[in-house]
Amino acid sequence: DQQVKQNSPSLSVQEGRISILNCDYTNSMFDYFLWYKKYPAEGPTFLISISSIKDKNEDGRFTVFLNKSAKHLSLHIVPSQPGDSAVYFCAASFQGGSEKLVFGKGTKLTVNP
Amino acid sequence: DARVTQTPRDKVTEMGQEVTMRCQPILGHNTVFWYRQTMMQGLELLAYFRNRAPLDDSGMPKDRFSAEMPDATLATLKIQPSEPRDSAVYFCASGGFDGELFFGEGSRLTVL
Repeated sequence: DQQVKQNSPSLSVQEGRISILNCDYTNSMFDYFLWYKKYPAEGPTFLISISSIKDKNEDGRFTVFLNKSAKHLSLHIVPSQPGDSAVYFCAASFQGGSEKLVFGKGTKLTVNP
Repeated sequence: DARVTQTPRDKVTEMGQEVTMRCQPILGHNTVFWYRQTMMQGLELLAYFRNRAPLDDSGMPKDRFSAEMPDATLATLKIQPSEPRDSAVYFCASGGFDGELFFGEGSRLTVL
């Protein structure tokens, strides 16, 4: 029973365009959401997060949007760069992130030059 | 440069052998997690500790897996006996109070 779902295993975009990665969750008690980025042979690294009291958080080229009513969040990368090619994991947590993170299965993003 | 350190990076073993993976969390972090990455399941939580106390190990096959924190600088994940289906990359992560987890580089386990 996947509580955090990333339904697109892969996504391919052109350099300079926008990348949109989607994530859905089933547990309405989640109140903190994060995106992690993972390169091959490395551990995941934190990218950006959002609390359930917000609907948008922006950090440079990365923006995360949260739609609580739809239990959906998305990560926008604009403009996309070849170095953004990686696997992106969506994660959710309770109690502001002080509890365990539940991860989705990941989406492999390829940004073509 | 604080980081989570995991050993071994790669381990190939035969079915039935004992495997121990070790993790040194970032100094000062009070939570430690073990995750396993497989193609089918993505990142699945095996166990986690807060202040060295086990909080949740419901993701672990109890008959063969065990996780411990002998002290604040060491977390271990042991598989005995190992099986081919245990082949995966095992990640250790540690975190402070802000919710962000820092992952190690992972231990790739292959059980033949």
